[in-house]
Amino acid sequence: DTGVSQDPRHKITKRGQNVTFRCDPISEHNRLYWYRQTLGQGPEFLTYFQNEAQLEKSRLLSDRFSAERPKGSFSTLEIQRTEQGDSAMYLCASSLVRLMEASGYNEQFFGPGTRLTVL
Amino acid sequence: GQQLNQSPQSMFIQEGEDVSMNCTSSSIFNTWLWYKQDPGEGPVLLIALYKAGELTSNGRLTAQFGITRKDSFLNISASIPSDVGIYFCAGQLSDSGGSNYKLTFGKGTLLTVNP
Repeated sequence: DTGVSQDPRHKITKRGQNVTFRCDPISEHNRLYWYRQTLGQGPEFLTYFQNEAQLEKSRLLSDRFSAERPKGSFSTLEIQRTEQGDSAMYLCASSLVRLMEASGYNEQFFGPGTRLTVL
Repeated sequence: GQQLNQSPQSMFIQEGEDVSMNCTSSSIFNTWLWYKQDPGEGPVLLIALYKAGELTSNGRLTAQFGITRKDSFLNISASIPSDVGIYFCAGQLSDSGGSNYKLTFGKGTLLTVNP
């Protein structure tokens, strides 16, 4: 399977614990996005990377959240001191943005998500 | 965060019926997208619309990009049981340099098809 993969698929943790999720994008994709989806809502943008550079962070991303993409390939999302309000599906998406692409549509391919439950 | 206004929230229909759902926004988008999400999975792209006024079909799916660039609708004709799922609209707005293509989603329409 050459699509976007995420690990783990499910994570149950106790409040106050730290958790880390991993996303492996489609191999040639230079753009990687993280979204959060709570029950009954659509996904909401958290942050994105162009290669290894993190270029934008949503205000939803509190200082307990940190994301990295050290080699421009896989990415990790860490949540420190988890709270019950962090319970959600965390989705990763990747895309290929070509240089000198001024505007237009850029398709994002989503992974299956990591479902986090904080007890 | 911002979300689009999507309606209806849910629909329960009989197999063979047609379905229509729509999405509105207070701001404009360059691209409108429709996704389907099955339980425990990520969204899968169904249709992408690039130009205001554009009408696009993909099999039994038809979608339109509103001329104001602030709305879109999706129609599903002759529904079948496998159409069950949550349908999301999404808007994409790239800046003049095309540097950010983040998606803004609606809250979804839950479709149930009774065989």
